[in-house]
Amino acid sequence: EDKVVQSPLSLVVHEGDTVTLNCSYEVTNFRSLLWYKQEKKAPTFLFMLTSSGIEKKSGRLSSILDKKELSSILNITATQTGDSAIYLCAVEARGNSGGSNYKLTFGKGTLLTVNP
Amino acid sequence: EAGVTQSPTHLIKTRGQQVTLRCSPISGHTSVYWYQQALGLGLQFLLWYDEGEERNRGNFPPRFSGRQFPNYSSELNVNALELEDSALYLCASRDRANTGELFFGEGSRLTVL
Repeated sequence: EDKVVQSPLSLVVHEGDTVTLNCSYEVTNFRSLLWYKQEKKAPTFLFMLTSSGIEKKSGRLSSILDKKELSSILNITATQTGDSAIYLCAVEARGNSGGSNYKLTFGKGTLLTVNP
Repeated sequence: EAGVTQSPTHLIKTRGQQVTLRCSPISGHTSVYWYQQALGLGLQFLLWYDEGEERNRGNFPPRFSGRQFPNYSSELNVNALELEDSALYLCASRDRANTGELFFGEGSRLTVL
């Protein structure tokens, strides 16, 4: 069974700090890894990392995929109170039956709280 | 362009009842995914529909079922509700090529008393 583990489960920092969130996975037939931010209800997309795109950056956020270590990190620099949210990591893998049988497995998320 | 829409946004049911949740994907998206997000458990995969067919199913009992209509909208049905079914049910859609990000709706918050 596919597994996605995020750490830490929760984190409290002060504005201006830099944080690193971790995601490790055990899947067969890896296809992609996605990061989402969930503030209230609907998770919003941050990054997608694949074998052909292992590093992404957008403003203060950046993410790296380490296919050798089967993990990814999400970095947030100069954190702001608006960064407070649950950060979700998801890994997509092809099922054993092949074809178009893909499955996206989410980790439990990291709850980030940024205090002023 | 409208995003993924879900209804109802909130509902309260009692044990043993049945519920139907609805989802309309982004126009042009053929894949619909259903997830359950219970407190402390993250997003648990329920069902994946594409082109009207069920493509994959998570580890949930058969009382969780659904379908996808010709216009690609989808329903999730839960029979014989139990207290532990209380959760946020999220629907997401993806494009025809079934690649790239999933776009999520705001979810349906189900409370079972």
